[in-house]
Amino acid sequence: QQQVKQSPQSLIVQKGGISIINCAYENTAFDYFPWYQQFPGKGPALLIAIRPDVSEKKEGRFTISFNKSAKQFSLHIMDSQPGDSATYFCAGDTDKLIFGTGTRLQVFP
Amino acid sequence: DTGVSQDPRHKITKRGQNVTFRCDPISEHNRLYWYRQTLGQGPEFLTYFQNEAQLEKSRLLSNRFSAERPKGSFSTLEIQRTEQGDSAMYLCASSLTVEAFFGQGTRLTVV
Repeated sequence: QQQVKQSPQSLIVQKGGISIINCAYENTAFDYFPWYQQFPGKGPALLIAIRPDVSEKKEGRFTISFNKSAKQFSLHIMDSQPGDSATYFCAGDTDKLIFGTGTRLQVFP
Repeated sequence: DTGVSQDPRHKITKRGQNVTFRCDPISEHNRLYWYRQTLGQGPEFLTYFQNEAQLEKSRLLSNRFSAERPKGSFSTLEIQRTEQGDSAMYLCASSLTVEAFFGQGTRLTVV
């Protein structure tokens, strides 16, 4: 079922820096690509999402870049804050979500 | 709270016992999903319902697992004859369009 590969597994960034998480997918039937943020002991929370007909989507400090021909997409977190420290999951969706393995982000002050 | 609600939040059970979890989706959401998440991994799809119809079951869902969604409202996930390998976080999500919203999960520990 592993059709979405995510990297890096963990990421340490200084406050104010840019965090970048990458994902690659195999299933060309995916038509929706969300990113979820998960804090320990909590369920995943939808952060931002993109459709494959768009190359970039920005919401506040969060940006998704999408490369359909390469079957890759990435999450950029600008001006990273300690409160952004969490695990981030990318996913691909047809009629259900297929998740990547997650990236644990730690932002140090 | 109008989000997805799961009960219980934590469950410790002895190997071989049966357990049942409940999920109350966001009202008017017609789709309901169950996922399983183990430590350090992303959520893995188990099954989903559109209204009361169970449309897909993952190969991960052995015959010890059964899910229901009577009347298209809340859903239950039952695990029979639990095994230590069943220890995980069981997540429920609901959606009306493409955006899926997750509950807090039920953490199952089989001892």
